[in-house]
Amino acid sequence: KNEVEQSPQNLTAQEGEFITINCSYSVGISALHWLQQHPGGGIVSLFMLSSGKKKHGRLIATINIQEKHSSLHITASHPRDSAVYICGLSANFGNEKLTFGTGTRLTIIP
Amino acid sequence: EADIYQTPRYLVIGTGKKITLECSQTMGHDKMYWYQQDPGMELHLIHYSYGVNSTEKGDLSSESTVSRIRTEHFPLTLESARPSHTSQYLCASRRTGRYGYTFGSGTRLTVV
Repeated sequence: KNEVEQSPQNLTAQEGEFITINCSYSVGISALHWLQQHPGGGIVSLFMLSSGKKKHGRLIATINIQEKHSSLHITASHPRDSAVYICGLSANFGNEKLTFGTGTRLTIIP
Repeated sequence: EADIYQTPRYLVIGTGKKITLECSQTMGHDKMYWYQQDPGMELHLIHYSYGVNSTEKGDLSSESTVSRIRTEHFPLTLESARPSHTSQYLCASRRTGRYGYTFGSGTRLTVV
């Protein structure tokens, strides 16, 4: 049983579309991380959330602690947004063992 | 603009060789991590460190070892490489508290 599930696994959209990627989890957490992994393998940390909503440029991340669910939204998507988006959980404060989802592969077509 | 550096970027090596993957960060982060990732699969934590002289094993069993003699340096060593060690190894760091991670570019290791 996976503690974190991401959906969809693969998503292809046209440039300009509004994108939503979901992350559901089954354990109590202290924080949830959204990461972006580019085709070359490099990883960028996008957000760390423990409640509410965060926004950075065209990216918005939300979390609902009661429903154990987080979403990552991309507005006005662009081909450079094509990447794998990974959700990761910190189960407890001070616990360094992040649990990761398998990722959502996003492809934006020009 | 990366503040965390991994070398080498790619490595092909024969079975039985000893190898060290280097990871250095210039941000003064106290916590450092090594993750292993097979193609198309999730990240797995293999080692982490809270600070100098502190190292812990992660969830994924690994035959590698790490050391943390200096804050900025967290090398990973495989005493005897095997084909099963073929994978991507990613180093990361962060500051204690509610801070995100900074990842290196990774080392793609192939053991033949």
